[in-house]
Amino acid sequence: DAGVIQSPRHEVTEMGQEVTLRCKPISGHNSLFWYRQTMMRGLELLIYFNNNVPIDDSGMPEDRFSAKMPNASFSTLKIQPSEPRDSAVYFCASSLKRGGSNEQFFGPGTRLTVL
Amino acid sequence: QKEVEQNSGPLSVPEGAIASLNCTYSDRGSQSFFWYRQYSGKSPELIMFIYSNGDKEDGRFTAQLNKASQYVSLLIRDSQPSDSATYLCAFSNRDDKIIFGKGTRLHILP
Repeated sequence: DAGVIQSPRHEVTEMGQEVTLRCKPISGHNSLFWYRQTMMRGLELLIYFNNNVPIDDSGMPEDRFSAKMPNASFSTLKIQPSEPRDSAVYFCASSLKRGGSNEQFFGPGTRLTVL
Repeated sequence: QKEVEQNSGPLSVPEGAIASLNCTYSDRGSQSFFWYRQYSGKSPELIMFIYSNGDKEDGRFTAQLNKASQYVSLLIRDSQPSDSATYLCAFSNRDDKIIFGKGTRLHILP
């Protein structure tokens, strides 16, 4: 199993540019999560999907952020326009809820730097 | 606001000793509790989960849960330098969301 795949691994962009982060969850998993991690705020949940449907987007910081999951094997997180305060590591995670277990498996992350 | 509180550390423990990591949570409805390990520059990985009060052991790791006190801990026996990492405590309710603490940095001294 390849695990959760994220691309790009690193992204450097200038303020005002559009940024698109991509995620491929583990095959067969039915939930997908987008997180942002910074030193100050730790690991924050931005949005999560269940069976491709957005369930909770209360963590999305503002309208500049949007996420889609067009099918079970692909999701995107878009920032438009980007700002320096968006600089962080963005993780995608997936899980399969079985019984009481909902262990999440994380991708390697995308390190975003907005200049 | 659902919160998880952890001491940020760093917690320094001599090699071979027991490392004790602690965590409190605010939501009494929490049902599942997790400990994730995160090496510098890497993604979090699950090392333990616990649902019931008491202890759960897995190799050198023991998770302890006390729902009445809203307290969960992780003990690492025979600490190794490879255990040096940030440990994230987390919990979830019946839904799929997991709320993470900011983590405790553990440093095992050779």
